[in-house]
Amino acid sequence: AQSVTQLGSHVSVSEGALVLLRCNYSSSVPPYLFWYVQYPNQGLQLLLKYTSAATLVKGINGFEAEFKKSETSFHLTKPSAHMSDAAEYFCAVSEQTGANNLFFGTGTRLTVIP
Amino acid sequence: DAEITQSPRHKITETGRQVTLACHQTWNHNNMFWYRQDLGHGLRLIHYSYGVQDTNKGEVSDGYSVSRSNTEDLPLTLESAASSQTSVYFCASRGTGSAGELFFGEGSRLTVL
Repeated sequence: AQSVTQLGSHVSVSEGALVLLRCNYSSSVPPYLFWYVQYPNQGLQLLLKYTSAATLVKGINGFEAEFKKSETSFHLTKPSAHMSDAAEYFCAVSEQTGANNLFFGTGTRLTVIP
Repeated sequence: DAEITQSPRHKITETGRQVTLACHQTWNHNNMFWYRQDLGHGLRLIHYSYGVQDTNKGEVSDGYSVSRSNTEDLPLTLESAASSQTSVYFCASRGTGSAGELFFGEGSRLTVL
């Protein structure tokens, strides 16, 4: 079965510092992987996704993630945090064939300190 | 622009009452999903549908039901609301194919007293 693990339910960084949010997946074959962001009182919106093309994926708002098969990881990074990045971030996984469901991690709340 | 809307956005109800949360999408997506979001649990899948007349149970389906009579709508019904069902509920839709993006509604906050 597909699953994702997000290490750290809360991450705090200073404004301008590197953002690193961790995601590891469990799958017998490489899946499709997604990062979503949720701002307060809103639904989730897609940041970026990996679908078997380039392993380094660039998304919106300066975020990027790298798919590493050997580490079964898909960590999200941003070189310089901005106050507006404060939100909850979810990693999700989908099988490449068959089911159309996404399986979500438990989320990481990012706080940006001025 | 295509969108997905949920109603009501906020609802307070009493234990034992039946509650229906509406979800309407204009993406013309076959795949629709209901999730609940609770602190420490992330998003958990309640029910999903791959098309008209198709419904399937997710990981936390007890006490919930859905029906799919057309492409656009997937209402979620709580037959007899319980305090444990106090949560934020999200509807989502997705096109065919596993690489596609999941589009979310704004959420419905339900409080069961």
